[in-house]
Amino acid sequence: GQNIDQPTEMTATEGAIVQINCTYQTSGFNGLFWYQQHAGEAPTFLSYNVLDGLEEKGRFSSFLSRSKGYSYLLLKELQMKDSASYLCALSGGSYIPTFGRGTSLIVHP
Amino acid sequence: GAVVSQHPSWVICKSGTSVKIECRSLDFQATTMFWYRQFPKQSLMLMATSNEGSKATYEQGVEKDKFLINHASLTLSTLTVTSAHPEDSSFYICSAGPPGLAGGHQETQYFGPGTRLLVL
Repeated sequence: GQNIDQPTEMTATEGAIVQINCTYQTSGFNGLFWYQQHAGEAPTFLSYNVLDGLEEKGRFSSFLSRSKGYSYLLLKELQMKDSASYLCALSGGSYIPTFGRGTSLIVHP
Repeated sequence: GAVVSQHPSWVICKSGTSVKIECRSLDFQATTMFWYRQFPKQSLMLMATSNEGSKATYEQGVEKDKFLINHASLTLSTLTVTSAHPEDSSFYICSAGPPGLAGGHQETQYFGPGTRLLVL
């Protein structure tokens, strides 16, 4: 089976940096996704990590440590529009991702 | 990027009626589509995997006779919620991946915009 854990809610200030952590347990591992989901909308793809290390993509970066069962999403230069839910999703043996409950990020001025 | 559409975006119905939701891949052929359900402040829960030309694969705890899935073509999958009840009120999201997702090559899924169902 799979288990994914991420904080329920985080708050941060506009212009700051925030790190959203995700820990997981799984019997099989193919990769780890991060998605952004605004209220009432479908998720949009942010990143996919297969190998250990940090992958940077503009203001967003994602890190993976397979040995520790740990990933984080790093958001820099926060903007108000970054207020959303961030979903960590694990791709295990079936290649169909299992989603975590999501972390609701609130960015305030 | 690839586009997936869903119709309708909103539906309100009376208890006991059936509701059909369509999921279309607009610019690619999808042999596999996925149906998710999401309750407020909850995670996306996979309901079933829709396979073109064959029966859908349902996740444990999902009633196949209540949630009918038809994947009649490479660009269209439908989910019919039969005899809907208030507890079926939820956000239903479909997704599709380019060819290769089910074949072992990891590709990202493209999500439809979702359908919000309210059963009165």
